[in-house]
Amino acid sequence: AQSVTQLGSHVSVSEGALVLLRCNYSSSVPPYLFWYVQYPNQGLQLLLKYTTGATLVKGINGFEAEFKKSETSFHLTKPSAHMSDAAEYFCAVTHNTNAGKSTFGDGTTLTVKP
Amino acid sequence: DTGVSQDPRHKITKRGQNVTFRCDPISEHNRLYWYRQTLGQGPEFLTYFQNEAQLEKSRLLSDRFSAERPKGSFSTLEIQRTEQGDSAMYLCASSLVGSGDIDTQYFGPGTRLTVL
Repeated sequence: AQSVTQLGSHVSVSEGALVLLRCNYSSSVPPYLFWYVQYPNQGLQLLLKYTTGATLVKGINGFEAEFKKSETSFHLTKPSAHMSDAAEYFCAVTHNTNAGKSTFGDGTTLTVKP
Repeated sequence: DTGVSQDPRHKITKRGQNVTFRCDPISEHNRLYWYRQTLGQGPEFLTYFQNEAQLEKSRLLSDRFSAERPKGSFSTLEIQRTEQGDSAMYLCASSLVGSGDIDTQYFGPGTRLTVL
């Protein structure tokens, strides 16, 4: 069984401030972890993914995430928020024998204030 | 690579009517997934195909839901006798398995269904 918990359904930051979106997962086998971004009325766009190897993963648009097995976490960060980062963000988990059937968190809406 | 496309983007129907959605995956992708997303929730897995074979359909929400991928290219998702609870965004995703990368899914823009 696998599950994802995203702490904080809404996060608000000022433009230029640090973005931190939290994701904790549960998986009985080594996980593959993903972050997606969704803009209004659009599908999901992959930001970054962790499979194996380096635990700090860099993605598009300046985002990165760190896999911490001991904390079962995969938090998403960006050093300096931009207005265009305002969107909904989803964390997802799957594993190598799960045929890609990802389990998603409920999402975090990021608001960026000018 | 034109990405995953879905048609229609929006569908409004009356309760009890049947609706069909189409998904065109990225051309060389061999896996195709359907998800449902309700307001305030993340996508929920429904079913998936590897080429034309439907490998799991146990997560389809009821026997009113069915999906096909007849030639291993585009796919359709049909909902019969729609109910107001079926109102949601229906997302399609595709991936290429066997490329050496993990099953990374690319999502379409979704079809938003409203049942009146």
